[in-house]
Amino acid sequence: GNSVTQMEGPVTLSEEAFLTINCTYTATGYPSLFWYVQYPGEGLQLLLKATKADDKGSNKGFEATYRKETTSFHLEKGSVQVSDSAVYFCALISGGSNYKLTFGKGTLLTVNP
Amino acid sequence: KAGVTQTPRYLIKTRGQQVTLSCSPISGHRSVSWYQQTPGQGLQFLFEYFSETQRNKGNFPGRFSGRQFSNSRSEMNVSTLELGDSALYLCASSFNGEGTEAFFGQGTRLTVV
Repeated sequence: GNSVTQMEGPVTLSEEAFLTINCTYTATGYPSLFWYVQYPGEGLQLLLKATKADDKGSNKGFEATYRKETTSFHLEKGSVQVSDSAVYFCALISGGSNYKLTFGKGTLLTVNP
Repeated sequence: KAGVTQTPRYLIKTRGQQVTLSCSPISGHRSVSWYQQTPGQGLQFLFEYFSETQRNKGNFPGRFSGRQFSNSRSEMNVSTLELGDSALYLCASSFNGEGTEAFFGQGTRLTVV
């Protein structure tokens, strides 16, 4: 079956530091990959996506590249802000008759001023 | 464009009772999925509906059920509530559930006492 493994953290950084959250996956077929972010007391917000190998998703300074050879989709940001403090989830959905997102366990990011 | 709307936002129920949660997807989206989020188990898939048909179901007991109406709105029901059912229940809508991005509501926080 499908699975997603991401570094669980927590991760604590100072403002303007570089961020990397690792994500690797196992899936049948050719999955679409996503990063979601969850702020306290809220639902999940789609941060970025990539639907095929070598695609780069980007949004709000965050980037992730779909690497089929290493089955990875690592999240990066060059300079984090206090407002980026949240829980980040890597997820995939594979083709066929699955119709469900498979999530990693989430990574809590805290950015200090 | 209105987002995904879940009602109610908060619920407190007693063990043994039943509860119904509602989800209105984004206009034009026909796929609705439900997820349970707990600190211990993370995000777990409950079921997915498309055009009033359940296409996939997660590994939950039969006390958890759902349905979808002709306008794509969906409800989930939990009967004979247990303390372990306390969780954040998230609804996600997508165009067809097959790899396009899913958008989440803010969730319903259910507390069973």
